[in-house]
Amino acid sequence: KAGVTQTPRYLIKTRGQQVTLSCSPISGHRSVSWYQQTPGQGLQFLFEYFSETQRNKGNFPGRFSGRQFSNSRSEMNVSTLELGDSALYLCASSPTGGTEAFFGQGTRLTVV
Amino acid sequence: QQQVKQSPQSLIVQKGGISIINCAYENTAFDYFPWYQQFPGKGPALLIAIRPDVSEKKEGRFTISFNKSAKQFSLHIMDSQPGDSATYFCAASIEGNEKLTFGTGTRLTIIP
Repeated sequence: KAGVTQTPRYLIKTRGQQVTLSCSPISGHRSVSWYQQTPGQGLQFLFEYFSETQRNKGNFPGRFSGRQFSNSRSEMNVSTLELGDSALYLCASSPTGGTEAFFGQGTRLTVV
Repeated sequence: QQQVKQSPQSLIVQKGGISIINCAYENTAFDYFPWYQQFPGKGPALLIAIRPDVSEKKEGRFTISFNKSAKQFSLHIMDSQPGDSATYFCAASIEGNEKLTFGTGTRLTIIP
């Protein structure tokens, strides 16, 4: 069974631009969560989608948004990028959410 | 604010020894406690998890000990091997709420 796939693996963007990250969950998993990992703040929850609906949201500004498609694939968008948005963005999938979350390898975003 | 406190920040253990990482939580509503292992350049991988209805769970060389009254749980790695060198994260969540709250991580190094 294929694992969680995130694309692209690496991304360099300029401050003020926007970026879209993609996540394909494990086949059959309907819940997709997004996390931001930085050396200073650690792993922080961004939001979770289940059956195309956002069920839970972390404490991030509105510049961070996401969506989920009918095939459970998810995208995350960050608008008006700031230097502090540089981080590893991780996607996790699970059958129904919360427990047994399996992470992808992440997308390393660098904002210059 | 929901928090999970993890210690130590870094740990050096000799090969064959026991590695012990501790976590403490504040929110008594947490009812799922997973541990994740992360290697450089990879996403976190689910290692083992426990629910508060049991005090201990063992899977191979990995054991979680859980103390509900003290709101603490720990990961024990028996017969530690160089391949165990990685960063370990504890986490907690509430069933029905898909957000995982992570500890700050422990960088474990196993020396020969």
